Amino acid sequence: DAGVIQSPRHEVTEMGQEVTLRCKPISGHNSLFWYRQTMMRGLELLIYFNNNVPIDDSGMPEDRFSAKMPNASFSTLKIQPSEPRDSAVYFCASSLNNYGYTFGSGTRLTVV
Amino acid sequence: AQSVTQLGSHVSVSEGALVLLRCNYSSSVPPYLFWYVQYPNQGLQLLLKYTTGATLVKGINGFEAEFKKSETSFHLTKPSAHMSDAAEYFCAVSEGSSNTGKLIFGQGTTLQVKP
Repeated sequence: DAGVIQSPRHEVTEMGQEVTLRCKPISGHNSLFWYRQTMMRGLELLIYFNNNVPIDDSGMPEDRFSAKMPNASFSTLKIQPSEPRDSAVYFCASSLNNYGYTFGSGTRLTVV
Repeated sequence: AQSVTQLGSHVSVSEGALVLLRCNYSSSVPPYLFWYVQYPNQGLQLLLKYTTGATLVKGINGFEAEFKKSETSFHLTKPSAHMSDAAEYFCAVSEGSSNTGKLIFGQGTTLQVKP
């Protein structure tokens, strides 16, 4: 298995632009998680899905953030419009029940 | 509600010395416990996990951890530190009965290994 695949690895965008981050979970995993990591805040859970259904989006910072999981093999996290304070590393992780997460390599987002 | 506390945001050891990273958890149900490692500019990688059974669990790279229910602890140890162990380490807990697999992470401990 190729693991959790995230794209792009790096994204540099101008303030106000739309940003879309993509994630392909491990085949057969039933939960998918989006995290944001910064030096100041550490690792923050943004939203997670179970069987493609959003379960908890209380970590999504603002309405500018949205996430979808149209099928079991794909998820997106969208920021529109982006702001400099959104600069962070965004991780996607997937799991099968309680056996622990497998993380992707992350997307490093820089908003200038 | 579940929570995880990692004692010490930074730990420094000499190469060859014992590594001890502390983790205490709070959970009202039998927990599943995990340690993850993050090397610079990489994602988090599972080191080891405790679900049920033997309370001493062994992981990759010579690390091990012991689940102590009476102390609500899951400390991570390694007998002899290598320079390559320098990284950030995260302890995490999930509800054993949950089928969503959501983990609660500690704030992380940065391990520095001095030559």
